[in-house]
Amino acid sequence: DAEITQSPRHKITETGRQVTLACHQTWNHNNMFWYRQDLGHGLRLIHYSYGVQDTNKGEVSDGYSVSRSNTEDLPLTLESAASSQTSVYFCASSESTSGRGADTQYFGPGTRLTVL
Amino acid sequence: DAKTTQPNSMESNEEEPVHLPCNHSTISGTDYIHWYRQLPSQGPEYVIHGLTSNVNNRMASLAIAEDRKSSTLILHRATLRDAAVYYCILRGGSQGAQKLVFGQGTRLTINP
Repeated sequence: DAEITQSPRHKITETGRQVTLACHQTWNHNNMFWYRQDLGHGLRLIHYSYGVQDTNKGEVSDGYSVSRSNTEDLPLTLESAASSQTSVYFCASSESTSGRGADTQYFGPGTRLTVL
Repeated sequence: DAKTTQPNSMESNEEEPVHLPCNHSTISGTDYIHWYRQLPSQGPEYVIHGLTSNVNNRMASLAIAEDRKSSTLILHRATLRDAAVYYCILRGGSQGAQKLVFGQGTRLTINP
């Protein structure tokens, strides 16, 4: 069955280190998204991609970067981890539609990142 | 941007119907109404979506007001597994077609 996976599921790192979170989907979806979720809050969009070589900033993109070299993967990199980036990170993917907003997003299980 | 308003929390009993309301008075004519839910310690999952007409699927029903300024997610027979945070989200048109903008959602508690 097609799926979306994230790794690692849990990560502890130190302030200032570079960290990369992996996201892999086997649906062949063009659209991929990264969200973060903090305690007591809804999900907030970090970056998203509509296809290979395409990346866009979301509402909380400072300190994060993504690159899309193939359809299946959208790794999220924290260039210099900060304690404020301690959070749960969710990756999602969806098919391209006509752009009308009817597509469904499928979410991964999440990565819990702690920055000490 | 068009926004949605949901109650912070609701409570219901197992095997009873649950009606989760959502207000979206500034919805545009091209906005789809989506519902997602997030079970504890899991990623969000899609529940249902609609544009103008009421919709049914195996998980739930979506009732959309005639003026589209409000909608209701209906769980016909709640189980303990339905305890989750439910998000009502507008997609397309004024929201930007592909992105999901999550609000605070409604935390649904199911009593045995």
